[in-house]
Amino acid sequence: GAGVSQSPSNKVTEKGKDVELRCDPISGHTALYWYRQSLGQGLEFLIYFQGNSAPDKSGLPSDRFSAERTGGSVSTLTIQRTQQEDSAVYLCASSAPGPLVEQFFGPGTRLTVL
Amino acid sequence: GNSVTQMEGPVTLSEEAFLTINCTYTATGYPSLFWYVQYPGEGLQLLLKATKADDKGSNKGFEATYRKETTSFHLEKGSVQVSDSAVYFCALKTGTASKLTFGTGTRLQVTL
Repeated sequence: GAGVSQSPSNKVTEKGKDVELRCDPISGHTALYWYRQSLGQGLEFLIYFQGNSAPDKSGLPSDRFSAERTGGSVSTLTIQRTQQEDSAVYLCASSAPGPLVEQFFGPGTRLTVL
Repeated sequence: GNSVTQMEGPVTLSEEAFLTINCTYTATGYPSLFWYVQYPGEGLQLLLKATKADDKGSNKGFEATYRKETTSFHLEKGSVQVSDSAVYFCALKTGTASKLTFGTGTRLQVTL
């Protein structure tokens, strides 16, 4: 079946603009994660959604970052007033419920803030 | 907190050479350990995992053994191929938390 998809694949924006990144998880996966992959920082956890539970937002770096998941499926990560340090590849992953199940990753969105 | 340290890359090897990528960790609680691989232009994929001490994860000729006494999970392969060229990430998760803590990644380049 279809894997995790993300859009856009690339986004170039100017400093101060808002951006929205989209993630379509694998159908039936109740858990959805956002990670950020940047030079020198590796892969960092941002936020985690599980079903109807309150999301784990502990990895969001500032209040400029927010995410929502509508209808338990598609998720949007929003970055307001982008800064150059926000430039990174933003990865989305989804999984079935359970602590040891595999997380399936999307191809990522490469964000460049000029 | 949790953290993962893996060897700096890039690692450049000739085809059929032996590969070791070191990974050590610190964790609160009893972690499960993972290796993920990112091939050029593709998303992260789970390569192998181990959930308790002395477990050996294996896949595609790669192996890693969960060593609790040395808090390590080194990735090995006896004979690498050009197609193994990728970035390899060591990761862990603890308890009921589902988020993964990753190392910074090690780029492997295999040449003919």
